Amino acid sequence: EIVMTQSPATLSVSPGERATLSCRASQSVSSNLAWYQQKPGQAPRLLIYRASTRATGIPARFSGSGSGTEFTLTISSLQSEDFAAYYCHQYNNWPPTYTFGQGTKLEIK
Amino acid sequence: EVQLVESGGGLVQPGGSLRLSCAASGFTFSRYDMHWVRQAPGKGLEWVSAIGTQSDTFYPDSVKGRFTISRENNKNSLYLQMNSLRVGDTAMYYCARAPSGSYPSGDAFDIWGQGTMVTVSS
Repeated sequence: EIVMTQSPATLSVSPGERATLSCRASQSVSSNLAWYQQKPGQAPRLLIYRASTRATGIPARFSGSGSGTEFTLTISSLQSEDFAAYYCHQYNNWPPTYTFGQGTKLEIK
Repeated sequence: EVQLVESGGGLVQPGGSLRLSCAASGFTFSRYDMHWVRQAPGKGLEWVSAIGTQSDTFYPDSVKGRFTISRENNKNSLYLQMNSLRVGDTAMYYCARAPSGSYPSGDAFDIWGQGTMVTVSS
């Protein structure tokens, strides 16, 4: 099983500042990685797929980078609505043995 | 509007069974791989099962032999039959859509339902 490790577990950032979230895979997943945002009481929402492609309707302040085992989600200028939990997800194989990171909670500083 | 709506959750005793449903609308259901993902209270996301466009099915070891995913394309519906339920299966269960045809990889979950809560307790 590919283990996905996110860091930090909690990130405190002020509105308007940049946030950088990390995700590491225990073995290469190529660029088969997605990022999701989840707000309390809501379903996850796809932000980024193929490591760096923004999903439909996602603002340009969200960007993804990386390949292989190291990935980063950057939010360039935090808005109030961005404070939420973020999960990375590898989908490197079919038949699927998909795994998620444990999540990063982005909170207001 | 593209939408997934889950139903069927509830309270069940350990060892019991439950069948979840997911109604799809706004897209050609038969052309997509479909998945179930769960989230225990206060915890992260866990992939639970997948069904391809040819109705090929896949499970992680944690539910293999207990859960069965199925689909009815003529009804735009996805199902999850859960048997021999355990306290550890308590979670919000989401259905999610993924584009098909990306072999040898899978694809991201681009549409999620709002979830249905399953509580396993005596």
